Order: sequence, then structure tokens, then C-alpha cells
Amino acid sequence: DAGVIQSPRHEVTEMGQEVTLRCKPISGHDYLFWYRQTMMRGLELLIYFNNNVPIDDSGMPEDRFSAKMPNASFSTLKIQPSEPRDSAVYFCASSLTSGQRGYEQFFGPGTRLTVL
Amino acid sequence: GESVGLHLPTLSVQEGDNSIINCAYSNSASDYFIWYKQESGKGPQFIIDIRSNMDKRQGQRVTVLLNKTVKHLSLQIAATQPGDSAVYFCAESGPDFNKFYFGSGTKLNVKP
Repeated sequence: DAGVIQSPRHEVTEMGQEVTLRCKPISGHDYLFWYRQTMMRGLELLIYFNNNVPIDDSGMPEDRFSAKMPNASFSTLKIQPSEPRDSAVYFCASSLTSGQRGYEQFFGPGTRLTVL
Repeated sequence: GESVGLHLPTLSVQEGDNSIINCAYSNSASDYFIWYKQESGKGPQFIIDIRSNMDKRQGQRVTVLLNKTVKHLSLQIAATQPGDSAVYFCAESGPDFNKFYFGSGTKLNVKP
């Protein structure tokens, strides 16, 4: 399997612009997670989905952030409008929950976002 | 002025030595604990996990120890190799096992 795929790998944009980050989870996984990593705040969970349904979005910073999962193989994280403080590495992760196997989350390579 | 990022604690070990990375967790109700490794420019990679009903679990060259009394978790790496150089994160979860709370990380530097 190719693992979790994220695009783009790097994004540079100007303040006020819309940014869309994309994720393809591992085939067959039923959970999908979006994280943000910064030096100041570390790795934070933003939102996660189960079977394409958002379960917990309490980590989404504000209304400028939105996430969708239209089908089992695709999710987007959108920031509109973007601000310099949104600059971070955004990770997507997926998992297949089975009580016997634990709750391992498989992370993608991340998207490094820079908002000027 | 510009914000200054957190300075990660660093553990430097000689190749071949054993490494011990420590983590204090905050929630006494946490029921599931995980260690992740993150190499530069990559996403975190799962190493090992442990449930709260255990105090020790072993994997290949790694052992996780859990002390619930003092809310402490440690990762032991045997015969540390240069490829082990990375930032190591502990994470806790519970009651929602899918919701991980990550620690700030420890940088492991293996000297050849």
C-alpha cells in the first residue's frame, strides 16, 4: 500500500487567500484524522472522521477552518481566509480500528503551509 | 516581537548504548498510551502502544513502561542505532481511544 497520501507537500500563499489541503487515506481504513504541528503548540488534533462522518471537531481553531470527507478515499481541509498564524505542517492520518489491534494511526508525509 | 518556539529536550547517546526517553502524562483517566517517532521532514511513525491494564510491553528493541501511580511513561531502546535519531512523542488517549493528545517530544541524537 502507498500509505496516506497528502497534497500538496508544500504550499506558500498570501494572507487572505483560500488554501485547500488534500488527503487520501489508506484503503480500507475507516478513521481519518487531521493534525496541525507547530513548534509552539506541538502536534494537535483538529478533527477526525469515522466512516466519512465528522466525529469530533473540537480542535478546529475557528470558523476559517473547515474539513470534509465526501467519500472513503478523500478528505480536504480548507482554510479561508488564511492568516500568517496558520503557518504549520498539517498531517493527515488514518486508522482501522479493531479492538484486538489497538488504535495505531498511520500518518501521511504532511503539507508544509506558509502564509505570508 | 517574534514568538520563540519551544526548545525540545535532547537526549544524546552513543551508538550501541541503551536509550531511555521519559514522558509525564496529565490525565489519570487516560487508558491508552502510544509512542511515535518522527524523523526530519516526515510524518510520525508508530512505535509501540500499551493499555493502562499493563505496566510493561516489549517490541523489537523497544520496551514501554507505564507507571500509573506517578503518571509516567518511558520508552527504552536497546542497542541504539544512528537510524534511531529522531524526535520521539508520547501520546495518551481515553475514553475516546481515537483521540490522541501528544506530548511536546524529545529529540534523540545518536552519536556514531
